This record gives sequence, structure tokens and C-alpha cells, in this order.
Amino acid sequence: QVQLVESGGGLVKPGGSLRLSCAASGFTFSDYYMYWIRQAPGKGLEWVSYIHYSSTYTNYADSVKGRFTISRDNAKNSLYLQMNSLRAEDTAVYHCARGSTWIQLSEFDYWGQGTLVTVSS
Amino acid sequence: DIQMTQSPSSLSASVGDRVTITCRASQSISSYLNWYQQKPGKAPKLLIYAASRLQSGVPSRFSGSGSGTDFTLTISSLQPEDFASYSCQQSYSTPITFGQGTRLEIK
Repeated sequence: QVQLVESGGGLVKPGGSLRLSCAASGFTFSDYYMYWIRQAPGKGLEWVSYIHYSSTYTNYADSVKGRFTISRDNAKNSLYLQMNSLRAEDTAVYHCARGSTWIQLSEFDYWGQGTLVTVSS
Repeated sequence: DIQMTQSPSSLSASVGDRVTITCRASQSISSYLNWYQQKPGKAPKLLIYAASRLQSGVPSRFSGSGSGTDFTLTISSLQPEDFASYSCQQSYSTPITFGQGTRLEIK
């Protein structure tokens, strides 16, 4: 069955960096757009970034553009999010999610449970 | 950016009730509207995609309707496992945006 398992979250000081990973299994990872979506405490879901299935292109929310970098390793069935210059407002649970095989924008049919990132001094 | 506004933000209902949650987009998004269920500490679950299409494995008591700017999610007869939060999401244009969520509680 499809599984997405995030890791790499933790407590980091403002201005610090963190790299999140998402291990995918149960499907042909290299066929799908993949996404990062976050949820701050008590807030709604917020799209962060997506990546084309062969990494041809990426896109970012304005709130993270220039600070976060999405990448993937199809040989390892893994998705990553490099987060630099972290701010308190980046505190959230970060989910990876599976998109479509053929279109950039779509519904997300599978999600991971998420990894918590806390930015605090 | 397209703003997605859900109402109500919270709702109390009883097992067996029929419940409707609405989602309004700040501009037309055709039928590019999806609904999710989320329980604390769990991964969000896709319920409805393309406004009215039931995701595989989702019980038929869930249904979606609407197009343009106004959409609804209906649960025809609430079951105990349906008490959760529900969010809408537009996939019409970037940035992808979500509603703020509706928390469905047991009365």
C-alpha cells in the first residue's frame, strides 16, 4: 500500500536550517508530482512547494521562496525539503503528499502523518 | 491568490444527522475543488476531488457539489468516525490554497 513517512523535524533556532525527508513506498515514485504542505498550530493547511516527477521544475509559496528548496531522489524513492533562514512563523507540522502523474495542480490522494518543525530560541 | 472561505468554522451535530459544509472561492475555480478529512495526529484523507467525485474507498454518505465559486460537502448520516476536521482546497491555480477548516464535533 502507498506509504509516505516524513522525518527530520525538530527544534531549531531562528535563522537555522533543517532538512526534511519523505520516504515513499507502495507506488512508482518517479511517476508523480510531489508536494510539501504544512499546518501551523491551530491554523489551516498551507501549500509550501511542489516538484515535477523528474525534477524538471519546482514551485514555492511566496512565504518560503528563496529560503526553502525542494528536491527528490527517484532512485531512493525520497522527497526532501531543505529549509534555511528559518523563522518562528515556519513552525508547523510538515506533510509530504502525492499529487498527479500528469498535471501540476491536483488533489492530493496520499499524505504522510507529518513531522513537526519548531522554530524558537 | 484565490481565497477559500469555509463555513461554519465549527459545527456540533449528532450521529445520524445530515451535515453540510460550504466552501466559497474568491474567484471562479470551475470544478477544481477538493475536500479532505483530518483527525488529530493523522494524515489528511482525500474525500472528494473535482468537486463531486468520490475518492475510492470513501463511504457513499459523503458527497460534494458545486462549481464556479460555491461548493458544498454533505455527510448524509453522520457516523461516530466522521467527527473530525474538514478542509477544502482549490487546485485551479498557484498558489494552491486551502480553506481554514471546519471542526465537526459531537453534540
